Parts: sequence; C-alpha cells; structure tokens
Amino acid sequence: GESVGLHLPTLSVQEGDNSIINCAYSNSASDYFIWYKQESGKGPQFIIDIRSNMDKRQGQRVTVLLNKTVKHLSLQIAATQPGDSAVYFCAEPSRGAGNMLTFGGGTRLMVKP
Amino acid sequence: EPEVTQTPSHQVTQMGQEVILRCVPISNHLYFYWYRQILGQKVEFLVSFYNNEISEKSEIFDDQFSVERPDGSNFTLKIRSTKLEDSAMYFCASRKGSRNYEQYFGPGTRLTVT
Repeated sequence: GESVGLHLPTLSVQEGDNSIINCAYSNSASDYFIWYKQESGKGPQFIIDIRSNMDKRQGQRVTVLLNKTVKHLSLQIAATQPGDSAVYFCAEPSRGAGNMLTFGGGTRLMVKP
Repeated sequence: EPEVTQTPSHQVTQMGQEVILRCVPISNHLYFYWYRQILGQKVEFLVSFYNNEISEKSEIFDDQFSVERPDGSNFTLKIRSTKLEDSAMYFCASRKGSRNYEQYFGPGTRLTVT
C-alpha cells in the first residue's frame, strides 16, 4: 500500500499569510522525507528534506516539522507569495536498490493577491 | 546550475506506435529514473537505473517499456506499442550518489496517444 499521503487537495491562502501543508505516512520505520514543489507544466523541484533523527528543519521561508509519534509531517511556508502557488508533494525514498521515490497525492496551494 | 533536460517537450503518437523519450541527466550523477504523471494525479515511479542495469521497477513498467543508456550522456525510455492509457507526463530524474537521496527532475515530456 501507499506509504505517504496528503490530507488536503487544495489550500487557498492570502498573500503574506503563512501556509501549512500536511502529509501522513504509515511506515514507522520511514527515516527520510522530501518535499517537492511542482509548478504548472514543470517537473517536481526539491524544496527541503528531513531525516527521522530530526523534528524540525528550516530553510529559506520554509520549515518542515516531523512528528514521528503520529507519523505526520508538515511543510510551513512563511509569508506566502504568489510564486509559491504550485502543487506540493511529500515523498519518501524506498529502501530498495534504486531508492525510488513514492509521492503523496499532492496539495495545490493557491495564493490570493 | 546543471539540470536534467528532456526531449521532446510534447510527443503525439498513434496507438500501437513506438515512442522514445529522451533525457540527459546531470553529468556526474549515477542513478537515473523515469516517472510518469497522468493529468491531475500524483507522480508514479516507473524504473530506476544504475550501473547500466535496471535496479528497481514498478508494476507499470511491463514488457512494453524499456530503458537504455546508449552513451555517456543520454538515458532513454522506449514504449514499444503505445496505448491510450500511456498518455501522461513522463519525467526523467537523476541522483548523484548512494548517500544523497535528492532526485533532480527534468521538465517532462507530455505524451499524447491518439
């Protein structure tokens, strides 16, 4: 079955507000997660990653939180901008030889000016 | 900044025809992947390739699909006899090494089977 999944398909926020995108996973042994951003007509673009030995990781305007107790991670975008409008996926590499990525269903973030 | 490139950007073909989708991964990367995304759906793994052989493949990657790295730069996906349900965006990705899980994706090829 699917290991990662998204709570909400669409999130609409006002420009300047903070955005929170959620993701659940089912395998308690999962130890690494990646957030990707996909703009319309483009391929997924790496945003930030987190290993299971961390609860929080910060990047430029983005923060990923990992709650291993409830198997949940979130992507927080501070001061959301129109350029943040995209579909956001959480993904997890397999433990197989190729470390292929399993993607969640995606959340569409729409930023209102 | 180096990037993964893919050609063509859009391919239209008739059902039953063979198509070859081409990718040039980032030059010092060792792991190569093909994914597909049906319109409005999530990205799905097809196949991974390392050291000139397939390392992992999904159920989608049946006998109609094949991959090849014909030279030191190109990585191709061939669909022997296309079906209507093969219509999707096909993304190539590459990864540097075994300790780095970050995959870099190309812009995709939109395949339309009519």
